[in-house]
Amino acid sequence: GAGVSQSPSNKVTEKGKDVELRCDPISGHTALYWYRQSLGQGLEFLIYFQGNSAPDKSGLPSDRFSAERTGGSVSTLTIQRTQQEDSAVYLCASSLTASSYEQYFGPGTRLTVT
Amino acid sequence: GENVEQHPSTLSVQEGDSAVIKCTYSDSASNYFPWYKQELGKRPQLIIDIRSNVGEKKDQRIAVTLNKTAKHFSLHITETQPEDSAVYFCAARSPLRGNEKLTFGTGTRLTIIP
Repeated sequence: GAGVSQSPSNKVTEKGKDVELRCDPISGHTALYWYRQSLGQGLEFLIYFQGNSAPDKSGLPSDRFSAERTGGSVSTLTIQRTQQEDSAVYLCASSLTASSYEQYFGPGTRLTVT
Repeated sequence: GENVEQHPSTLSVQEGDSAVIKCTYSDSASNYFPWYKQELGKRPQLIIDIRSNVGEKKDQRIAVTLNKTAKHFSLHITETQPEDSAVYFCAARSPLRGNEKLTFGTGTRLTIIP
C-alpha cells in the first residue's frame, strides 16, 4: 500500500509569513509523529499524535509552531511568522499505534525561509 | 528525558571491511532501539531494530547488539559495499504511555571507499 506522504515537497517562504505542512500517514496508522532535520543534523522530535490527541508537545520549539490532526488521519504542522532558523526538512512518520514500535517516514518537506 | 549519543560522526572504510557505529542512551526504561539509514535527499529507512529482551539481532550483513547494563547498542555492517554509503541514525524509545517518541542520535556519515 501507499506509504507516508507529505506536501509540499519544497516550500520557499519569506520571513514573517505563515506556512502549513501536510502529512498523510499510512492508511490505518493511528500514531503520527513530526520531526525536524536541520542541514547535516539529526532528527529533532516536535510532536506526536495518537488518534487526534497529542500526548507530547514538548518538542515544539516555540509557540509559533502548532499542529493538529482531525479525523485521525491527515495532520498539518503550522509555523507562524516564520524565521530563518525554521529552515529545515520537516519529516512526518506514522506507526500502527503509539505503542507499536516501527515508525515509517515520509519524504519530508524542505522549508526554506528567505 | 532520554538522551542518545552516537559515535563516530563520520566513518570511512574500505569496501569489504566492517563498519561499527556505537550509541549510548540515558533512560534505563527505554526498550526499543532502531537504526535508520538515510541516503542523500531521501527519507530515513528502518534497517534493523532490537528490543530490550534480546542481546543481539542479525539480518544478513547487518547486526545490532545491545548491552542494557551499560546502556549502549551498536550497529555492525560486515562486507561493506558502496551502496552502504549513507548517514545512519540510532534511536531509543521509552515504553511509557505519553512518552512514545523516538530520540535520535546525531548520525554517522558512512563512506565506503571502493
